[in-house]
Amino acid sequence: GAGVSQSPSNKVTEKGKDVELRCDPISGHTALYWYRQSLGQGLEFLIYFQGNSAPDKSGLPSDRFSAERTGGSVSTLTIQRTQQEDSAVYLCASSLAWRGNSPLHFGNGTRLTVT
Amino acid sequence: KNEVEQSPQNLTAQEGEFITINCSYSVGISALHWLQQHPGGGIVSLFMLSSGKKKHGRLIATINIQEKHSSLHITASHPRDSAVYICAVRSRNGGATNKLIFGTGTLLAVQP
Repeated sequence: GAGVSQSPSNKVTEKGKDVELRCDPISGHTALYWYRQSLGQGLEFLIYFQGNSAPDKSGLPSDRFSAERTGGSVSTLTIQRTQQEDSAVYLCASSLAWRGNSPLHFGNGTRLTVT
Repeated sequence: KNEVEQSPQNLTAQEGEFITINCSYSVGISALHWLQQHPGGGIVSLFMLSSGKKKHGRLIATINIQEKHSSLHITASHPRDSAVYICAVRSRNGGATNKLIFGTGTLLAVQP
């Protein structure tokens, strides 16, 4: 596709359930990033992939959060046993390379609401 | 103290005014991004800078690496420029980390 695609665009789930969020980066982009934006808060880094490996997982808030990337393309962010504080917009971005001078392209995000 | 500070946090302008948003950072960086987020919308990357100045239409971004400061300027502002503008830096710490550190954003409202 032309841009970074995220699905679903909205997700409402009950506390304690698991959710999976998907990101399809731009074809050929080797670097993929997950961020989240809580209501009224700034953007928060979660995890970064270079190809299929994740050199930096430092932003994952707890062990309930995990992410994987397969085939150097699609990435899935999984949140287990969701809590209300997990409610946020989860954003994915990709760039052509991991180098600092590669422009970022953002998806439209997945709005997660945990009730 | 945040590693990336933006000012002002909120800005209201009249249509046609020249607008400046500032970003200061305290870490070594490999690049600085200016991002735009419309209410309820996605994030668009406006500029990526590692030195000097870039211009795109009515938008101008400058960076001073020595002073660790960047500015985003909007000339002849228009109500459609109303959005949150976010400064983000890609830290240069010598390792594999390539994450962005975000400012808290500047909410701009341009009134007709």
